[in-house]
Amino acid sequence: DAGVIQSPRHEVTEMGQEVTLRCKPISGHDYLFWYRQTMMRGLELLIYFNNNVPIDDSGMPEDRFSAKMPNASFSTLKIQPSEPRDSAVYFCASSPGLAGLEYFGPGTRLTVT
Amino acid sequence: GEDVEQSLFLSVREGDSSVINCTYTDSSSTYLYWYKQEPGAGLQLLTYIFSNMDMKQDQRLTVLLNKKDKHLSLRIADTQTGDSAIYFCAEGYNQGGKLIFGQGTELSVKP
Repeated sequence: DAGVIQSPRHEVTEMGQEVTLRCKPISGHDYLFWYRQTMMRGLELLIYFNNNVPIDDSGMPEDRFSAKMPNASFSTLKIQPSEPRDSAVYFCASSPGLAGLEYFGPGTRLTVT
Repeated sequence: GEDVEQSLFLSVREGDSSVINCTYTDSSSTYLYWYKQEPGAGLQLLTYIFSNMDMKQDQRLTVLLNKKDKHLSLRIADTQTGDSAIYFCAEGYNQGGKLIFGQGTELSVKP
């Protein structure tokens, strides 16, 4: 398996624009996680899904953020409108749910100017 | 509540042993993990230990768990410059779901 795939790897956008980050989990994994990492806040869990259903979205910072998982092989994290403080590296991870192991993607580095 | 704490920085000389420490608060956690993050990359699972074990060794890595004190450590023997990275500890549960991560310890290995 290719591992968790994220796209794009880098995104630079202007304040106010919509940003969509994409993730393809490892096939057969029932859990999918979205994280954000910044120098100031470290690694933060934004939301996670189990069998395509959002289980815990308490980490989503505000209504500008939304995440979907329309099927077992695809998820999106959308920011609309984007702000400079959203600049961070966004990671997607998936897990088979056994032993809680999580496998991380390479991340998307988002810069909002 | 759930909380995982780590010191933020550790600096060692090449060839020395490194010990990275972690404390956690939730005694119901089933597994404890160590992840490594190299610059510009995602987190990579290094090793994990069941909560009913007190030690696990894997080549240069030794994980020690003191369940009474809720203290976890990762020892890296013969530390190399390639070990320079951020190390995260995390706790998890048998039924899956989310992991609780510490804030990461940045290990710097000097030649």
